[in-house]
Amino acid sequence: GNSVTQMEGPVTLSEEAFLTINCTYTATGYPSLFWYVQYPGEGLQLLLKATKADDKGSNKGFEATYRKETTSFHLEKGSVQVSDSAVYFCALLKTGNQFYFGTGTSLTVIP
Amino acid sequence: NAGVTQTPKFRVLKTGQSMTLLCAQDMNHEYMYWYRQDPGMGLRLIHYSVGEGTTAKGEVPDGYNVSRLKKQNFLLGLESAAPSQTSVYFCASRLAGGSSYEQYFGPGTRLTVT
Repeated sequence: GNSVTQMEGPVTLSEEAFLTINCTYTATGYPSLFWYVQYPGEGLQLLLKATKADDKGSNKGFEATYRKETTSFHLEKGSVQVSDSAVYFCALLKTGNQFYFGTGTSLTVIP
Repeated sequence: NAGVTQTPKFRVLKTGQSMTLLCAQDMNHEYMYWYRQDPGMGLRLIHYSVGEGTTAKGEVPDGYNVSRLKKQNFLLGLESAAPSQTSVYFCASRLAGGSSYEQYFGPGTRLTVT
C-alpha cells in the first residue's frame, strides 16, 4: 500500500543552522510528493511539491528533490530562522484522491 | 474570501452523545476531506468527497458519517461518541484536476470525549 515514513522528532536547532528532515515513501508507480507545514494552532499549509522524478520543489528557502531511486523526498534549508519553528509533514498523492501523510516532525529553532 | 472554515473550534462531549462538525469553503472546490490528527499518528483520512452528493471512505471511517448536500459544505457526524474519537479534526478542500494538487486546510476542531 501507500505510506510515508518521516524522521522522528522533535528537532531543535540554533538559528542559522542547516536543516534536513528525512522522508521516504512506499508507493507503486509515480506519486506526487509534498511537504506541508503546520504552525502552532493552525491548519496545514502547502510548503512545496514535486510531481515527477528528479523535480525539485522549493519555497521560502526550503527545498526537496524527488528521488525515485531512493524513494525519498528529504526537506532541506540552509539557514533556519526562529520563524521556521513548526511541525512539518511529508505527504504523497497517488492517482486518485487520497493523500497519505507522515507522522510529522516538530522543529524548534532557538535564537 | 474566508477560505476553509470549521465550526465549532472546540467541543467536549460525553460518551454516547452525538454531534456534527461543519466545514465550509468559498473557493468553489470540488474535493473536500475530513482528517483526524493524533499525536504520533500524523493525519489520517476519515472520509472525502469528490463532488456534491458523493462521499467515500478513507483510512479510518468507522464511527463517522458524512454528507455533502451542497458543494461548499462538508459535514462530519459522530452518532455515538467514544473516547477514542478524542482528536483534532481538520477539513481540507482542493480543486479537481489541474496540476496544483494543493489542499487548503481549515483551522481545526479540537474534540474531547469524556
